[in-house]
Amino acid sequence: DAKTTQPNSMESNEEEPVHLPCNHSTISGTDYIHWYRQLPSQGPEYVIHGLTSNVNNRMASLAIAEDRKSSTLILHRATLRDAAVYYCILRPYYGGSQGNLIFGKGTKLSVKP
Amino acid sequence: GAGVSQSPSNKVTEKGKDVELRCDPISGHTALYWYRQSLGQGLEFLIYFQGNSAPDKSGLPSDRFSAERTGGSVSTLTIQRTQQEDSAVYLCASSLVVAGGAGKDEAFFGQGTRLTVV
Repeated sequence: DAKTTQPNSMESNEEEPVHLPCNHSTISGTDYIHWYRQLPSQGPEYVIHGLTSNVNNRMASLAIAEDRKSSTLILHRATLRDAAVYYCILRPYYGGSQGNLIFGKGTKLSVKP
Repeated sequence: GAGVSQSPSNKVTEKGKDVELRCDPISGHTALYWYRQSLGQGLEFLIYFQGNSAPDKSGLPSDRFSAERTGGSVSTLTIQRTQQEDSAVYLCASSLVVAGGAGKDEAFFGQGTRLTVV
């Protein structure tokens, strides 16, 4: 399975943008890039996903490199509530449906007031 | 609306006993996942059910672990002869797999069952 590499931890100041990187050099053409986050003492929650084009939703933006070997999750204005572990995941898509959801170690984001 | 429900929320058991953990997925969701998370660690994949396909059991750590999903809905994770290293939070998630659905397949997680083996 294609793997992802993320920094173990990052720090941000409140109200500032945060760019969380993810490397996935062995990504295949059928892999979607998914991001989930896990707030303290909670189960993970979906953030965003994409295939080739950049994506925006109410939570974040996802910037995907042209060669798809890396991506960046962008939080436009970090809040204290955004302190969490962020997981970048490659999900295969075949037979008309998604494959398994395998989590790596993720990036622990700390937000300072 | 109802989310993914797991029971019990906490379970303390003696080493060597069997335990059953239950997951009620969101109604209509075809995919169901089990994970465990030890204190301060990431999510360890255990098993994945997708519709009528054979489950992906590649994450089960030993033959003491098994899971079933009855009627395509409720799932039970069984741990036999529990060991202290089985102590963890066991998380269940479900998703609606939409064929040709642009790859989203958002997974919704329950609050987990905290298992303590003493």
